[in-house]
Amino acid sequence: GESVGLHLPTLSVQEGDNSIINCAYSNSASDYFIWYKQESGKGPQFIIDIRSNMDKRQGQRVTVLLNKTVKHLSLQIAATQPGDSAVYFCAENISGNMLTFGGGTRLMVKP
Amino acid sequence: DAGVIQSPRHEVTEMGQEVTLRCKPISGHDYLFWYRQTMMRGLELLIYFNNNVPIDDSGMPEDRFSAKMPNASFSTLKIQPSEPRDSAVYFCASRMLDTEAFFGQGTRLTVV
Repeated sequence: GESVGLHLPTLSVQEGDNSIINCAYSNSASDYFIWYKQESGKGPQFIIDIRSNMDKRQGQRVTVLLNKTVKHLSLQIAATQPGDSAVYFCAENISGNMLTFGGGTRLMVKP
Repeated sequence: DAGVIQSPRHEVTEMGQEVTLRCKPISGHDYLFWYRQTMMRGLELLIYFNNNVPIDDSGMPEDRFSAKMPNASFSTLKIQPSEPRDSAVYFCASRMLDTEAFFGQGTRLTVV
């Protein structure tokens, strides 16, 4: 087995609080960004996306912020619920439509 | 559409055996991606196709890995011979140009 694993940052929040998950991306030429949610035993699921000509986009209970100056992306979840517990990944679209993923953050929601 | 369909969901094989993973992308999607997910390395892009043509295979670990896309509705990822360190969850995803990618449920591969 594996003795050393990828250390996933963990964010623990109380049910009803807001959550902020951060991501640093690597390529200044990336033009499109996506947040995914992955629950145990399932594939990543689309949450929200944003293009590089925007700095903010809102969905239902979620907001994505993009800061191209420092190559930073954040996902804000309002009124976090137990069903939001999962691992969250940011992905960047690099030239040629290659989609690469960051390391992920585990969100744990305490009831 | 049923989404991206991968088979099998689970595969247990002995070291040295050939393994073939299968993927059916969403109809109309012209990009297909193969990813591998492990605790050690996270979600790694192995290879991706555009209109059935491999565009970037720089993520393929070594020559034991190969991928094909004979038509727009089918792709395979083959490992021959398989090794214990290939144990991982393999995901297939598809997308249209400049849109989000849709993932399959994954194939959990265990090589003993």
